[in-house]
Amino acid sequence: QKEVEQDPGPLSVPEGAIVSLNCTYSNSAFQYFMWYRQYSRKGPELLMYTYSSGNKEDGRFTAQVDKSSKYISLFIRDSQPSDSATYLCAMGTGNQFYFGTGTSLTVIP
Amino acid sequence: DADVTQTPRNRITKTGKRIMLECSQTKGHDRMYWYRQDPGLGLRLIYYSFDVKDINKGEISDGYSVSRQAQAKFSLSLESAIPNQTALYFCATSDSGTSGFNEQFFGPGTRLTVL
Repeated sequence: QKEVEQDPGPLSVPEGAIVSLNCTYSNSAFQYFMWYRQYSRKGPELLMYTYSSGNKEDGRFTAQVDKSSKYISLFIRDSQPSDSATYLCAMGTGNQFYFGTGTSLTVIP
Repeated sequence: DADVTQTPRNRITKTGKRIMLECSQTKGHDRMYWYRQDPGLGLRLIYYSFDVKDINKGEISDGYSVSRQAQAKFSLSLESAIPNQTALYFCATSDSGTSGFNEQFFGPGTRLTVL
């Protein structure tokens, strides 16, 4: 069983839509939960991280962690064409992180 | 200038050749990492180093070796390349702060093709 499972998509939405991206995981020891954004031909960049359970909001982006269900989500409100990228979830204990396969998102103007 | 640089950016080689990928960083971070990214498999950790004298195997180290020449330089070698090592390779760095979470900063990647 993989440490982290993520639906690869692709996901295509109209501009202004709310986007929901999700990952599940198997290791209950994970404490740090991250979302990275990766544009084509670039390295991943950290978008947000959360420690333990709960929600975190940053502008149009909201990250949620439900440790009881081993399920994390990223919501993007009022999606923009510039949000078109691959989104990778990642999680771990601090020293080593495990990444999902990434979800490819296209926001259509 | 980029904080994390990787050379070469693209490389095509043949089965059995020795290949070295290099990573340099100007962020002053102690920790450096090598990942490979494959479609459908995501990013997987090959090796990581918490300082010059500390090297650790990651999830998929077989067929790879590394060298931490200095705090700012971390190279990945494929002693005898094989086609299933065709992938996108990323170097990353992070600080060793005490806050618990240390963001990893990624380089632009090296696209390696083994024929």
